[in-house]
Amino acid sequence: KAGVTQTPRYLIKTRGQQVTLSCSPISGHRSVSWYQQTPGQGLQFLFEYFSETQRNKGNFPGRFSGRQFSNSRSEMNVSTLELGDSALYLCASSLELAGFGTDTQYFGPGTRLTVL
Amino acid sequence: AQSVTQPDIHITVSEGASLELRCNYSYGATPYLFWYVQSPGQGLQLLLKYFSGDTLVQGIKGFEAEFKRSQSSFNLRKPSVHWSDAAEYFCAVGGAGGGADGLTFGKGTHLIIQP
Repeated sequence: KAGVTQTPRYLIKTRGQQVTLSCSPISGHRSVSWYQQTPGQGLQFLFEYFSETQRNKGNFPGRFSGRQFSNSRSEMNVSTLELGDSALYLCASSLELAGFGTDTQYFGPGTRLTVL
Repeated sequence: AQSVTQPDIHITVSEGASLELRCNYSYGATPYLFWYVQSPGQGLQLLLKYFSGDTLVQGIKGFEAEFKRSQSSFNLRKPSVHWSDAAEYFCAVGGAGGGADGLTFGKGTHLIIQP
């Protein structure tokens, strides 16, 4: 079974631009979560989508948004990019909502975003 | 609020020696605990997880971890490390019920293997 895939793997943008990242979960998984990883803040939870609805959200500004499609694929969008948005963005999928039962999140390789 | 502390930012171990990475958590309910490993330029790979039952859990690559509720700890161990174990290790705690706020990760421990 194929793992979680993320595209693109690398992105370079300039301040003020917007960016869209894509995540395809493991087949059959219905939940997709997004995390931001930076050297200073470590791994931080952005949001989780399940059945096309945002179910949980971390402490990030409204510039960070996402959506999930009927096939469980998810996109994350960051508008008005700032230098501090430079990070590795990781996507994780799980069968059900990550907080329920004994489910486990499986991570993709990440998208490295550099904001100049 | 849930939190995870990994007290050691860096650990250096000789190849073939034993390893223990420390993890302390804070969580108001029954925690689900995880250890992930991240190699340079890679995503996170799940090593092992604890949900309930036996407090000593076995994972992949010869790793194990022991859940100690009284100490709020979930330390990762390996009896003999290999050079390929050099990586960043993350401990994480998740909710056992609905409405969880995703996984909360520690800052990570960077493992260096000396030949």
